[in-house]
Amino acid sequence: DAGVTQSPTHLIKTRGQQVTLRCSPISGHKSVSWYQQVLGQGPQFIFQYYEKEERGRGNFPDRFSARQFPNYSSELNVNALLLGDSALYLCASSRRSYEQYFGPGTRLTVT
Amino acid sequence: GQQLNQSPQSMFIQEGEDVSMNCTSSSIFNTWLWYKQDPGEGPVLLIALYKAGELTSNGRLTAQFGITRKDSFLNISASIPSDVGIYFCAGQTSLDGGATNKLIFGTGTLLAVQP
Repeated sequence: DAGVTQSPTHLIKTRGQQVTLRCSPISGHKSVSWYQQVLGQGPQFIFQYYEKEERGRGNFPDRFSARQFPNYSSELNVNALLLGDSALYLCASSRRSYEQYFGPGTRLTVT
Repeated sequence: GQQLNQSPQSMFIQEGEDVSMNCTSSSIFNTWLWYKQDPGEGPVLLIALYKAGELTSNGRLTAQFGITRKDSFLNISASIPSDVGIYFCAGQTSLDGGATNKLIFGTGTLLAVQP
């Protein structure tokens, strides 16, 4: 079975712009979570969606938003980009209450 | 953001040596997971632990879920060069029958193995 896929792989944006990142979960997984990983740190939880409903939100500003589609894929949107938003954005999928599997991530650079 | 205390921060060892690392939290978790991450890639799940006191092995890796549910340990036996990477612990609390869950990650342990 295919693992979690994310697109794009790399992205360069300018301060103030908006970005959309995409994630496709493992087949059969209905939960998708988003994490931000800044260089040198562990991933930080941003959002979790289960069955298209937001089930959790981390300590991130309202500039961050996400949604999950009927096929369980997900998008993460970040508005008004700041230099500090530069990071590796990871998507993870899981079955209900089981371990989470991560995709390869999207490397976002804000200049 | 919240991170779990993971130690040691880094380890530089010779091939064939055994490795131990641990993770502690002020909060209780009902699941502990250990991941390995290579540069520029996503974390890869190594071991998942679901019960306090549980000891689980995956090849040369052995992990334990602490009795207090606030800590976990990972051991790697007979290290090889491909063990190089950053190891992260993560605590997970599931709510609403498992529909809600999020991971809190440790600060990471950088492992370097010299052939």
